[in-house]
Amino acid sequence: KQEVTQIPAALSVPEGENLVLNCSFTDSAIYNLQWFRQDPGKGLTSLLLIQSSQREQTSGRLNASLDKSSGRSTLYIAASQPGDSATYLCAVQTGANNLFFGTGTRLTVIP
Amino acid sequence: DAGVTQSPTHLIKTRGQQVTLRCSPKSGHDTVSWYQQALGQGPQFIFQYYEEEERQRGNFPDRFSGHQYPNYSSELNVNALLLGDSALYLCASSLAPGLAGDTQYFGPGTRLTVL
Repeated sequence: KQEVTQIPAALSVPEGENLVLNCSFTDSAIYNLQWFRQDPGKGLTSLLLIQSSQREQTSGRLNASLDKSSGRSTLYIAASQPGDSATYLCAVQTGANNLFFGTGTRLTVIP
Repeated sequence: DAGVTQSPTHLIKTRGQQVTLRCSPKSGHDTVSWYQQALGQGPQFIFQYYEEEERQRGNFPDRFSGHQYPNYSSELNVNALLLGDSALYLCASSLAPGLAGDTQYFGPGTRLTVL
């Protein structure tokens, strides 16, 4: 059974810092990995999707990497801003075409 | 282009009651998946509908059932509500199953509180 773990559970950084969020998964037989953002009480916004054959994806200040063989992904956020404060969720898509989520990292960027 | 919409936004029910949640997928999408997100947890997959049939199911009891209509909209029904069913219910739409790598688009969710 696929299990997804995210570390740390919570992170607080001053504005302007670069930061890294970590995600690990137990079964490397995935189609892709996605990073989502969730604001309190809201739905999910897809940030980046990495196909299983890819190593990384970039969008603006965000960069996500994938090491499928070791079951790890990182989300790098450059020059953090208070508006980046949210919970970040990692999810892997399996051959069954559903998503397995981690429990998320709650990020607070202090002005 | 409307994204995924869900109704209602919030709902309060008592134990033992039944509830129906609704979802309209993003334009052009024909597959709908439902997820349950308890407070402080990641979303858990409930089931997926395609061509008006349940195609996949997660580890949820039969009290959770669903339906998909010809226009691809979907309903999630929960019978005999328990306190533990209190959660944010998320609907996600995508293209047909099997198109690996397709992003799932999520709606804003329905917050269900069971008293």
